[in-house]
Amino acid sequence: DTEVTQTPKHLVMGMTNKKSLKCEQHMGHRAMYWYKQKAKKPPELMFVYSYEKLSINESVPSRFSPECPNSSLLNLHLHALQPEDSALYLCASSQGTGTGSQPQHFGDGTRLSIL
Amino acid sequence: GQQLNQSPQSMFIQEGEDVSMNCTSSSIFNTWLWYKQEPGEGPVLLIALYKAGELTSNGRLTAQFGITRKDSFLNISASIPSDVGIYFCAGQITNAGKSTFGDGTTLTVKP
Repeated sequence: DTEVTQTPKHLVMGMTNKKSLKCEQHMGHRAMYWYKQKAKKPPELMFVYSYEKLSINESVPSRFSPECPNSSLLNLHLHALQPEDSALYLCASSQGTGTGSQPQHFGDGTRLSIL
Repeated sequence: GQQLNQSPQSMFIQEGEDVSMNCTSSSIFNTWLWYKQEPGEGPVLLIALYKAGELTSNGRLTAQFGITRKDSFLNISASIPSDVGIYFCAGQITNAGKSTFGDGTTLTVKP
C-alpha cells in the first residue's frame, strides 16, 4: 500500500463542473507535488509545494488551482476542464527539495475523465 | 530544458533472462532515480543514486550512476513475471526541486 493517499480513485466530470482532487501523506514530508500522466507516458510535473508554499508552477492553465492547507494535505481544484485534460493525476511527496531528500513517493493517482 | 533518453522503449523477454536498460542525458544530474509503474498504480521508487560511480542493489535490481553524471543504467537479473511494468528513470539537479523523467521502458516477461 502506498503511503500517499489520493481520493477519489476515479472521477468523471463535465466541462462545466467544479471538483477537487485530494492528497494526503503522514510521512512528515515537507514537499508535495502534482503530476499529470497520459497513458504510456512519463509523469509531467504541474506544481510543487515546499513547506506549504507554492515553489514551482510549470505554466499550468488556471483551470487547475492547487492548494496546500497544511503540510500533510494537498488539493487540486478543477474548473472548466477540457477533454484533453483527461489523464491520471498523481500526487507525490518528498522530505524536501534539496539533494538527498528529493526521492518522491507517489500515490496511486486519480483517473480523471472529462466528458 | 533537460531531456533524458531512455532505452530501449520496450522489451519482450523470457522468464529467467537478465534485463538491462539505460538513460542518457546531455546535461549533468546530481541524483538518479529509478521507478517502476504497474497498471492502475503510481510509480514506485526502486533505487536512488546520489554519487557518480555509485552502484546500488535492491534484491535482483542493480543500478549505477555513470561517472560522467550524464547516464545511469538499471539491470534486473533472473526476471520473473511480476517484473512486468514500465520502468522510468529520473534525474535531479541539486535544489531544483523537480525531476526530469525518461520516457520509460515497458517490460514484458513471458513465462
